Amino acid sequence: QVQLVQSGAEVKKPGASVKVFCMVSGYTFSNYAIHWVRQAPGQRLEWMAWINVGNGNTQVSQKFQGRVTITRDTSATTVYMELSTLRSEDTAVYYCARLQSGDAYDIWGQGTIITISS
Amino acid sequence: DIQMTQSPSSLSASVGDRVTITCRASQSINSWLAWYQQKPGKAPKLLIYRASSLDSGVPSRFSGRGSGTEFTLTISSLQPDDFATYFCHQYSNYPYTFGQGTKLEIK
Repeated sequence: QVQLVQSGAEVKKPGASVKVFCMVSGYTFSNYAIHWVRQAPGQRLEWMAWINVGNGNTQVSQKFQGRVTITRDTSATTVYMELSTLRSEDTAVYYCARLQSGDAYDIWGQGTIITISS
Repeated sequence: DIQMTQSPSSLSASVGDRVTITCRASQSINSWLAWYQQKPGKAPKLLIYRASSLDSGVPSRFSGRGSGTEFTLTISSLQPDDFATYFCHQYSNYPYTFGQGTKLEIK
């Protein structure tokens, strides 16, 4: 079935980087964009970036410009999100989600908890 | 950025009740609005897209209406499985933005 499976929880120190993967299965990888959204404790969901999996083009929210890099490995049907220069405010659950043919997010990964702590 | 404001932030209701949640956008988003349900520790689940289209497999007691800046999600007859947090999402303009959520609790 259609699934997005994310990497496991991580604890990082301030200033470090983290790379989260989102492995896709059950559909043609290049047919759908993948977006990244995060949810900090007690906060609303926050859109971060997306990648056109077909051609590799990306768009990053202005808030995360310079800190977020989205890549994909078509042979592994996996999308990666790297967040650098981590700070305590980056503690959150990070989700990848499939954009339903230019529409809403119909499939979500299970979420990856990233904790920033010294 | 487009601001999404939901009301109420929390709601207590009983099984069988009809409930309506409202979402307002700070500018017109046409019908580019989705509603999701989220339970603790789980990923969001798509219920409604394009303001009023029911996603596959979602029970017909869920319905969405609206366009422009004002939208509603209605659950016609609450079931025990419906007690969760609901939030709206605009995908008209980048950056995509979300409502703050409405927590639906059992009365």
